Amino acid sequence: GQQVMQIPQYQHVQEGEDFTTYCNSSTTLSNIQWYKQRPGGHPVFLIQLVKSGEVKKQKRLTFQFGEAKKNSSLHITATQTTDVGTYFCAGHFLVNFGNEKLTFGTGTRLTIIP
Amino acid sequence: NAGVTQTPKFQVLKTGQSMTLQCAQDMNHEYMSWYRQDPGMGLRLIHYSVGAGITDQGEVPNGYNVSRSTTEDFPLRLLSAAPSQTSVYFCASSPGQNNEQFFGPGTRLTVL
Repeated sequence: GQQVMQIPQYQHVQEGEDFTTYCNSSTTLSNIQWYKQRPGGHPVFLIQLVKSGEVKKQKRLTFQFGEAKKNSSLHITATQTTDVGTYFCAGHFLVNFGNEKLTFGTGTRLTIIP
Repeated sequence: NAGVTQTPKFQVLKTGQSMTLQCAQDMNHEYMSWYRQDPGMGLRLIHYSVGAGITDQGEVPNGYNVSRSTTEDFPLRLLSAAPSQTSVYFCASSPGQNNEQFFGPGTRLTVL
């Protein structure tokens, strides 16, 4: 079946350092979503990328979708303690005509050292 | 709007017991789904529904049943609980398959 791999599994950074998580799919994606889950909380939608090579920014967060629509990345500039949590990518795969499935990556847990 | 609500928040079961996890949404979303979250494995899709009266299996459906008699409710039934079903369960809804998903607060289930 379709798989979405995400690396790294864990990342510890000093406050103020940058952070990047990468998502790779074995097959072409229709689109990719990113979610953030705070410790003890539930996943919260951040953004959706649809077009090949698309780049979107949300303040200190930059999201990219690869040209082949098989990989994506989330980059956080100058991390803050509020960025702590687990970041998940989720890829939509076309299963058959009109039917898509969403597969989540394994997540990257970000911890910040003040 | 309450969004997506789930009950109970916590549950402890003995092996072999059955129970139903409740999920409701008040956003008139057509698409609803159930995930389980285990350490190091991300979110895995159990069952999903594209509308009332329609359900389909996800990645890990064994041991679980669902039904969708109304747009608002999407209960998940564990037929005979097993320790392997110890997990955190999230229900989610979205306007359509390709839209952002709104997650409930989760149910933490322990099977002894």
